[in-house]
Amino acid sequence: EAGVVQSPRYKIIEKKQPVAFWCNPISGHNTLYWYRQNLGQGPELLIRYENEEAVDDSQLPKDRFSAERLKGVDSTLKIQPAELGDSAVYLCASSLRDRGLPDYEQYFGPGTRLTVT
Amino acid sequence: GESVGLHLPTLSVQEGDNSIINCAYSNSASDYFIWYKQESGKGPQFIIDIRSNMDKRQGQRVTVLLNKTVKHLSLQIAATQPGDSAVYFCAESSNYKLTFGKGTLLTVNP
Repeated sequence: EAGVVQSPRYKIIEKKQPVAFWCNPISGHNTLYWYRQNLGQGPELLIRYENEEAVDDSQLPKDRFSAERLKGVDSTLKIQPAELGDSAVYLCASSLRDRGLPDYEQYFGPGTRLTVT
Repeated sequence: GESVGLHLPTLSVQEGDNSIINCAYSNSASDYFIWYKQESGKGPQFIIDIRSNMDKRQGQRVTVLLNKTVKHLSLQIAATQPGDSAVYFCAESSNYKLTFGKGTLLTVNP
């Protein structure tokens, strides 16, 4: 079974430029998460989708970050414009939100390492 | 706000020894506590979880202990192997949200 796929794996951009990350979750998983992970830190949730609906985006900096999950499968996270402080690894995770299954059984992709110069 | 943190940022052990990684948490309302392993260049991988009404849970070579009195969580790895080298995160689950700690780097020396 294929895991969570993310692309690109690495991205280097200059500040003020836009950038987008793509995620393809595990087939059948209805819940999708975007996390940001700074060096040496644990992942921090940016947004959570249940199918097409963003059910928790309270930690998403909405002035420059946006996300979408059209058709409830793939998702894109965008930053525009990027700032130096946005340098981090952006992780996508998915889970099957269903009766009896813990919500924290999330499967993570390898992440996109973003460097803003 | 509520947070989950780790006592030790790094831990170095000899192959075959047992490892103990500790974590402190502050949100007593969390439903579950989870340990994740993250290898270089990869996303976190679920290892083991423990429900908040339990004290101990064992898996294959791993044991998680929960002490609610002092809000402490630990991960014990038996017969540590080189493949166990990674960063280990504790996390708490509350209201369908995961909150991760800072991570402990475990290095296994051959």
